[in-house]
Formats: sequence, C-alpha cells, structure tokens
Amino acid sequence: SSELTQDPAVSVALGQTVRTTCQGDSLRDYYASWYQQKPGQAPVLVIYGENNRPSGIPDRFSGSSSGNTASLTITGAQAEDEAVYYCQSRDSSGSHVVFGGGTKLTVL
Amino acid sequence: QLQLQESGPGLVKPSETLSLTCTVSGGSINSGSLYWGWGWIRQPPGKGLEWIGSIYYGGNTYYNSSLKSRVTISVDTSKNLFSLKLSSVTAADTAVYYCARNHDSPNWFDPWGQGTLVTVSS
Repeated sequence: SSELTQDPAVSVALGQTVRTTCQGDSLRDYYASWYQQKPGQAPVLVIYGENNRPSGIPDRFSGSSSGNTASLTITGAQAEDEAVYYCQSRDSSGSHVVFGGGTKLTVL
Repeated sequence: QLQLQESGPGLVKPSETLSLTCTVSGGSINSGSLYWGWGWIRQPPGKGLEWIGSIYYGGNTYYNSSLKSRVTISVDTSKNLFSLKLSSVTAADTAVYYCARNHDSPNWFDPWGQGTLVTVSS
C-alpha cells in the first residue's frame, strides 16, 4: 500500500479547471512532485518543489500544499492533458521515496 | 539536453538476477552535487509506479524496504552509466523499468528514460 493517497479518477470538461489531490502524513514535511503519464509513455515531471514547472510545461499546471494534502491544479484543461497523474514525495521516515497510486484524468 | 536510455535483457528466468543499465548522454553522471543522484522506478503492467532505489553523489544508496535484500544500484563514472541488479526474481518482478535523474531535497525525478519491459518467465 502507498503512503500517498490519490483519487483513482477525476474528470473535467474541456477548458474548465480541475484539481487533484494527494494525501499523506509525510506531506507535512516534504514537498510533493507531480508526473503526467500518457499510455505507452514514460512519466513526465510537471511540478516540483513548492510550485515549480520544468521548462516546456504549460503554465496552466500549478501545485499547492496545505497540511497533509498536496494538490495539482490544471486551469483550462486541454484534451492533451488526459493522462494519469502521479504524486511523489518522501515517506514519513524521510529516507525513502514513495509514489501515490495515480489519478486518471479524463477530459470531456 | 540530458537523455537516459535503459538497456538489458527483456526476459529473465525465475530465481535469476535481473540486470539493467542506464546510459546517460548529454551530461556527466558525476555532477559533483550532493543534491543530484540517479534512480530506478518500475511499473508492473497496468499498475502504478514503484520506486526501487536511488544512488546519490558519494555513492550513498537508498532502497525500497520491500526490495532492499535483493537490490543493488551502482554507478560507473568511466562509462557514464548506472546499473540495477535485482536478484531472485519472480513473476511479480515483471514490469517496465525506468531510470531517471533524481534530485534530492526536494525530491523529484527528471528526466526519465523511455523504459524497458522485463518479463520474468521460464
């Protein structure tokens, strides 16, 4: 079982805003990173640190955190954003890395 | 632009050792920074991501507790690559194996290799 909990699935209408969350005790101490994975492809980092986007990631992607919950928000979702999104951080001990179970985002 | 490429056998027999390498191009594997390292992550078919382990500057290694007794990650700076060995494999180790650069504090993985499917079967 994962120490980071994500909703299995979420949907959003094209052009609307969607937020997906990641819960875990370790998130009180460590930032979450977020990855986008499309079928048959390797994961791609979309958010890291407090709220940073790697080069090439659209600014409609943003991250935030409060207490034991980290959130990924897509403002104005596009069809190409349909994917599985994974959160990742350290575990409560701080010595290991953990991934959430992933959230499948459907853009309607 | 940093690129990573996994390589190794696509089929391994049960009880044998899975060995993969990740060749780094477009940059040196030896960054000289305490914050940068290299990691392995796997994904069983149709399932989520599982961290296997990471190695950081200075050779410090950290492994998933559930795999620790079977895993070894090492770096070969002369060849600009790092390696994964997983011993005593079973069908449960069948997965796509990814390598990635790993930043510590805060922790993230970027970029990733394209992944390689390893099937454990006799």
